[in-house]
Amino acid sequence: DAGITQSPRHKVTETGTPVTLRCHQTENHRYMYWYRQDPGHGLRLIHYSYGVKDTDKGEVSDGYSVSRSKTEDFLLTLESATSSQTSVYFCAISESGSGANVLTFGAGSRLTVL
Amino acid sequence: GQQVMQIPQYQHVQEGEDFTTYCNSSTTLSNIQWYKQRPGGHPVFLIQLVKSGEVKKQKRLTFQFGEAKKNSSLHITATQTTDVGTYFCAGSNTDKLIFGTGTRLQVFP
Repeated sequence: DAGITQSPRHKVTETGTPVTLRCHQTENHRYMYWYRQDPGHGLRLIHYSYGVKDTDKGEVSDGYSVSRSKTEDFLLTLESATSSQTSVYFCAISESGSGANVLTFGAGSRLTVL
Repeated sequence: GQQVMQIPQYQHVQEGEDFTTYCNSSTTLSNIQWYKQRPGGHPVFLIQLVKSGEVKKQKRLTFQFGEAKKNSSLHITATQTTDVGTYFCAGSNTDKLIFGTGTRLQVFP
């Protein structure tokens, strides 16, 4: 969807290096999410944000941190990447945090940790 | 915690055959959503069901929400090659959506 972009789209890095993935939205939605997708696990929530500087943990938050200094940007940081963090990462946005709200996903960022 | 399971994990069908994927929750849901992800793509919202026993149709796709609001199904009639992808259900009984593990559909021409 045109209103949400992720960068980089592909990244290969080595174990122990820091990695930051960026999600940028032009929809002015309050809620932003980071998911990881792995075979057999579907989509699992890492962290989410409900406003500038307001973030909370999801079900698989260990090893990840996030920041949201502007409404439009949500950053996901792996302080010291491990091979278990090799995955496809999706950012998503929604107008509200209600479980009934529809998520719009970005195109994804494929991360390989060697 | 809340869990949402989907079966089957994979399904291969001949073009023209029907396909069904099932979604089961460990808890009662307030709503359920369905998403489709094409190979190499990202999940895209298809539909949301809210009411007990609700049935909705989108062309060849039929979505159902169980009477107990703990299960749901997606049925595709006469599959086409354009139906290829992974179908995810996502349920909520709080303020968070929990995604199922997905069903990957392959359609052979």
